[in-house]
Amino acid sequence: ETGVTQTPRHLVMGMTNKKSLKCEQHLGHNAMYWYKQSAKKPLELMFVYNFKEQTENNSVPSRFSPECPNSSHLFLHLHTLQPEDSALYLCASSQVGTDTDTQYFGPGTRLTVL
Amino acid sequence: SQQGEEDPQALSIQEGENATMNCSYKTSINNLQWYRQNSGRGLVHLILIRSNEREKHSGRLRVTLDTSKKSSSLLITASRAADTASYFCAHGGANSKLTFGKGITLSVRP
Repeated sequence: ETGVTQTPRHLVMGMTNKKSLKCEQHLGHNAMYWYKQSAKKPLELMFVYNFKEQTENNSVPSRFSPECPNSSHLFLHLHTLQPEDSALYLCASSQVGTDTDTQYFGPGTRLTVL
Repeated sequence: SQQGEEDPQALSIQEGENATMNCSYKTSINNLQWYRQNSGRGLVHLILIRSNEREKHSGRLRVTLDTSKKSSSLLITASRAADTASYFCAHGGANSKLTFGKGITLSVRP
């Protein structure tokens, strides 16, 4: 266990559905991240939150909406997704401000969009 | 693109052999890290080497860093079937953001 949990682990949704992914870290970190991992492609950084403030949005379509209510929780709200959004969505956390930036990952949510 | 590249893309070895994986990057870095991912799971941090270090060991892992060539290598000695996974290098810059490579798929045959 890495100290980062994600729910649900698997999600199947239609293109008109609205769903949310949840991430929680128990490590006392101050930064959290959403990544998308598709087959045969590099890990794509989607969003970064430092101290609950969004500091990075890598040109992610608006059908993905992140929310960070506190430094321990991170959500990814999904609506009107496309089949090409099917992927493994990974959450990670780290402690920014130290001399290392090791990230600790959750197990991921396997998303399938029909 | 600031993304690094790993090679080979896939590696298949016999149990007991050593596995060597390479990573190159394009920008200046504060550190370089290696992560492992079992199929369909999250990434697990293996080892970090700082830009002022040249070699580091952790158990059966040995990582080297050559900043003049902008490259790193990960050596896994005496491989085991349980080492079968994907391995990623990631480099960190000044803003604490990590840039990951595409990964190397390692298969260790029992």
